[in-house]
Amino acid sequence: KAGVTQTPRYLIKTRGQQVTLSCSPISGHRSVSWYQQTPGQGLQFLFEYFSETQRNKGNFPGRFSGRQFSNSRSEMNVSTLELGDSALYLCASSLTGGHGYTFGSGTRLTVV
Amino acid sequence: DAKTTQPNSMESNEEEPVHLPCNHSTISGTDYIHWYRQLPSQGPEYVIHGLTSNVNNRMASLAIAEDRKSSTLILHRATLRDAAVYYCILRDLGAGNMLTFGGGTRLMVKP
Repeated sequence: KAGVTQTPRYLIKTRGQQVTLSCSPISGHRSVSWYQQTPGQGLQFLFEYFSETQRNKGNFPGRFSGRQFSNSRSEMNVSTLELGDSALYLCASSLTGGHGYTFGSGTRLTVV
Repeated sequence: DAKTTQPNSMESNEEEPVHLPCNHSTISGTDYIHWYRQLPSQGPEYVIHGLTSNVNNRMASLAIAEDRKSSTLILHRATLRDAAVYYCILRDLGAGNMLTFGGGTRLMVKP
C-alpha cells in the first residue's frame, strides 16, 4: 500500500514569506500529526488532526497552523518565515492516533 | 511525559545481536514503551511497543524489566541497514496523541 506522501520534498523560501506543506496519509488513516526536526532541538511535535479537528498542539507560535480535509489529507502553513524555521517537517499518520505511526520522508524547508 | 535516557551512540558488528538500552525510572503505570528508528534521510519508522510483557515482531524484540524502569530493544542479527538513530519513547495514550522524542541512540554497524 502507498505510504505517507509529503510534498514538496524540498523548498527554499525567503524570510517573511509564508509556506504551505502538504501531507497525504495512508488510505484509511484518520489521524495526521506534524513534527519539526532540527539539529539543535531534535524532533518536536507541532500538532495532530483527527477527522478534520485539531486534537493536540505542541509548543509552537501561532505562525504555525494546520488543517485537515475530509479525505484526511493535511496541510501545514507557516507564516512570516524566520531563519530558525529551516528544518525537516515530517508528517505521520495512524488509524486513530494510537500505537504505530507511519511517517513520511519529510519536506526540507530552507529559509534564506 | 516521563523521560527516557539512552546512550548517545553504540557500535555493533554486522551479523551480531545488538542490545539497545533505555532507562525510564519515572515511568507511570499507563505509559507504553515505544521504539522508533530513523534511517538517514528518512522519517522515523515504528519498530515495536509494549506495556509490561516482552514483545517480539519481525523487526526486533523488546525486553521490559520487571519493575518497568528500564527496557532493551534487541536486534537479533544486525545488518548494515540497521544503522540508524533509535528512539525510546514513553506514551500515555490518555495524555494526548503525540510522540515526545529524546536524543536517541545512534547505532553504527561495522561490516
